[in-house]
Amino acid sequence: GAVVSQHPSWVICKSGTSVKIECRSLDFQATTMFWYRQFPKQSLMLMATSNEGSKATYEQGVEKDKFLINHASLTLSTLTVTSAHPEDSSFYICSAQGIDTQYFGPGTRLTVL
Amino acid sequence: DAKTTQPPSMDCAEGRAANLPCNHSTISGNEYVYWYRQIHSQGPQYIIHGLKNNETNEMASLIITEDRKSSTLILPHATLRDTAVYYCIVRVARNQFYFGTGTSLTVIP
Repeated sequence: GAVVSQHPSWVICKSGTSVKIECRSLDFQATTMFWYRQFPKQSLMLMATSNEGSKATYEQGVEKDKFLINHASLTLSTLTVTSAHPEDSSFYICSAQGIDTQYFGPGTRLTVL
Repeated sequence: DAKTTQPPSMDCAEGRAANLPCNHSTISGNEYVYWYRQIHSQGPQYIIHGLKNNETNEMASLIITEDRKSSTLILPHATLRDTAVYYCIVRVARNQFYFGTGTSLTVIP
């Protein structure tokens, strides 16, 4: 099946710094990728839809200037959490749109101290 | 917003069939029903999807009612490794998924 990777798998950073998370589709091309956030014991929340070569579409309540998304190629999308604060600590998961379904990455655990 | 409702938790004896229900009464005619599962601290894993016909693959079967307002995921012979949170999702326009709260399935030895 289709494989999606994320890097890093976990990251710890200091408050005020920026963190970049990469999402790659390893064996297929994805014009559309999605970014989700998941807090402990909660469901996944869609943050934004990332389209290759164009600006991302953000869900209501998600700050586009804080969560910068770049989808520069058909196999790579990046999420940068700018000026991270402890409340941004969460599990960030990406997915890539295949022919008829989304394939999810393994997730990135972000802890902001 | 999620268009699905599921029971928060279920138990199933190992080796028995696990039947997980999902209500999606506001589903539109061209919207698919997808099922994923998530094992703790991992990304969701695709299980199966369908539009209106029943579907079966190596993992599970999906039964969709004729009016499409509900569906049931069937794991025919549950194992301990099937313990996970199962999400029923209606795929909306632009292929977006809005996850509901899911069902936490515990398979009991």
